[in-house]
Amino acid sequence: GENVEQHPSTLSVQEGDSAVIKCTYSDSASNYFPWYKQELGKRPQLIIDIRSNVGEKKDQRIAVTLNKTAKHFSLHITETQPEDSAVYFCAASKGGYSTLTFGKGTMLLVSP
Amino acid sequence: GAVVSQHPSWVICKSGTSVKIECRSLDFQATTMFWYRQFPKQSLMLMATSNEGSKATYEQGVEKDKFLINHASLTLSTLTVTSAHPEDSSFYICSANSGDTPHGELFFGEGSRLTVL
Repeated sequence: GENVEQHPSTLSVQEGDSAVIKCTYSDSASNYFPWYKQELGKRPQLIIDIRSNVGEKKDQRIAVTLNKTAKHFSLHITETQPEDSAVYFCAASKGGYSTLTFGKGTMLLVSP
Repeated sequence: GAVVSQHPSWVICKSGTSVKIECRSLDFQATTMFWYRQFPKQSLMLMATSNEGSKATYEQGVEKDKFLINHASLTLSTLTVTSAHPEDSSFYICSANSGDTPHGELFFGEGSRLTVL
């Protein structure tokens, strides 16, 4: 089955800095890669996703890049703010009704 | 986006009792729902895939007789933790997708925090 590795497990940055979280996946058939943000005690919220026919996608301060050949994808957050502090999960699936396999998560702490 | 509602959000029970958690899709029909378990500071671990009108598919290591899943309608799936023990204490989250989300986007419920005394 699919295996998703995520790094780093924790990331501390100063407000205004950029943050990068990286994930690798094992199943070359995976074609859908979402990123979820989970605040303490709350549900995961989808913040951005990318499909395998696209190399990069951007939404304001958030961007995701995908290298299908290397089977890795990354989340980039620019101009970080304290409210960006949360746990971020990457995931991979084959789309449709396929299950999502999650990475172990990255706890991002943005200090004012 | 679509809305998934989960109930209860908090539950405390005595060891040996059973607890039922409900997961509802409020504005779409969910042919497939997923149940996850999350321990503190850990990732979401898939427990089972619930399909409307058929038996759930359990992940390896998950006891189907302990975690009973019923998906009786296109908008409701339930997870029953039977004979709960303290080690079952965890955050349980359901999620769903539908035919309108061909890319596989999942919508999560609020989660249910179970504490077994």
